[in-house]
Amino acid sequence: AQSVAQPEDQVNVAEGNPLTVKCTYSVSGNPYLFWYVQYPNRGLQFLLKYITGDNLVKGSYGFEAEFNKSQTSFHLKKPSALVSDSALYFCAVRALNSGNTPLVFGKGTRLSVIA
Amino acid sequence: DGGITQSPKYLFRKEGQNVTLSCEQNLNHDAMYWYRQDPGQGLRLIYYSQIVNDFQKGDIAEGYSVSREKKESFPLTVTSAQKNPTAFYLCSITPLTGPGDYGYTFGSGTRLTVV
Repeated sequence: AQSVAQPEDQVNVAEGNPLTVKCTYSVSGNPYLFWYVQYPNRGLQFLLKYITGDNLVKGSYGFEAEFNKSQTSFHLKKPSALVSDSALYFCAVRALNSGNTPLVFGKGTRLSVIA
Repeated sequence: DGGITQSPKYLFRKEGQNVTLSCEQNLNHDAMYWYRQDPGQGLRLIYYSQIVNDFQKGDIAEGYSVSREKKESFPLTVTSAQKNPTAFYLCSITPLTGPGDYGYTFGSGTRLTVV
């Protein structure tokens, strides 16, 4: 079975500081990993995904994520946080060669960037 | 939200009443998914469909029903058997071929409230 853990319900960071939102996963075979962001009463917006290749994935709005196979982690990072980054962030996974099986999501991490 | 439309944005249901949430897409994507979002619980899969006239139950299908008569439409009915339907409902789509450069696109959601 596939699963995703986001160990922090809430992350607080000062504007201008680096931010990290943690994600670990469990999947049979190679993973297909995603990060999404959600603003209040909106759908999920795609940030980035990892399929294969370079372990550092760059995405939208200056975000990046580091894939670590040995630690089964896919942490989201940004070098300098903005107040506008405050939102709910979701990590998701499915097995890479499983067709279009549904994504499995973590419970989400609320990021609060303080001015 | 880029070719996927959920309606209505807000929906109110009386006790014992069935209601139907709409999800329409014009991207010719094969697979469609319904998720339920509750605070602190992330996204949980209700139903999904990878092809017309076929669908599969997700983790929390009880009290819900779906149909896939057309490729572009995947309506979700919340029946009176669903005892706690108040939640935010999200529809998602993805092509059948993949992973490629395609991800999973989400609609803007429907907030259902029992009154």
